[in-house]
Amino acid sequence: DAGITQSPRHKVTETGTPVTLRCHQTENHRYMYWYRQDPGHGLRLIHYSYGVKDTDKGEVSDGYSVSRSKTEDFLLTLESATSSQTSVYFCASKLAGDSYEQYFGPGTRLTVT
Amino acid sequence: GENVEQHPSTLSVQEGDSAVIKCTYSDSASNYFPWYKQELGKGPQLIIDIRSNVGEKKDQRIAVTLNKTAKHFSLHITETQPEDSAVYFCAAILAGTGGFKTIFGAGTRLFVKA
Repeated sequence: DAGITQSPRHKVTETGTPVTLRCHQTENHRYMYWYRQDPGHGLRLIHYSYGVKDTDKGEVSDGYSVSRSKTEDFLLTLESATSSQTSVYFCASKLAGDSYEQYFGPGTRLTVT
Repeated sequence: GENVEQHPSTLSVQEGDSAVIKCTYSDSASNYFPWYKQELGKGPQLIIDIRSNVGEKKDQRIAVTLNKTAKHFSLHITETQPEDSAVYFCAAILAGTGGFKTIFGAGTRLFVKA
């Protein structure tokens, strides 16, 4: 394992509340990613980071924001959760350089009621 | 932007048979094509990859082929075993501002029947 953890692993929250998911890696990887996984859609990129304080949008970034204040942590925030954001969220990280392999965390199952 | 289509969505094979999963991509600038395996309750894990300057790559019972002209690539698993049962994702790498985005297919759920 590449030493990637996610917290919490499960969360139930109400519509309209803010939610923050945390990703922590101990590999000193430069790149970090947030995906959501939904049936029939596979993994869709929400946001990614290519360094501390450097982030960019992915395919499905509306309603989400991210922050990366240090190399090992990448936070995903749902400013005001909606039922359409019920999903399984995966964080991943990648070395700098020529390697394209991403290492995934175990996922966070989020339910918005 | 890049779009990756994957077929079939579900595949059931008998133990010992071969399994083939196919993907197509839209952006000819993509140059790296990984395959990930996701077991139940876990995150995806890379099992094999291929770069655009190579037509085929093998690793024991797993092989991947790439046709750049047609923009499609395939995963081949031979002598399937029950532990091959999982969801498989193909992907294409697209270079973006400051980094690389991985665009995934929708996934194939493979069942290997003992």
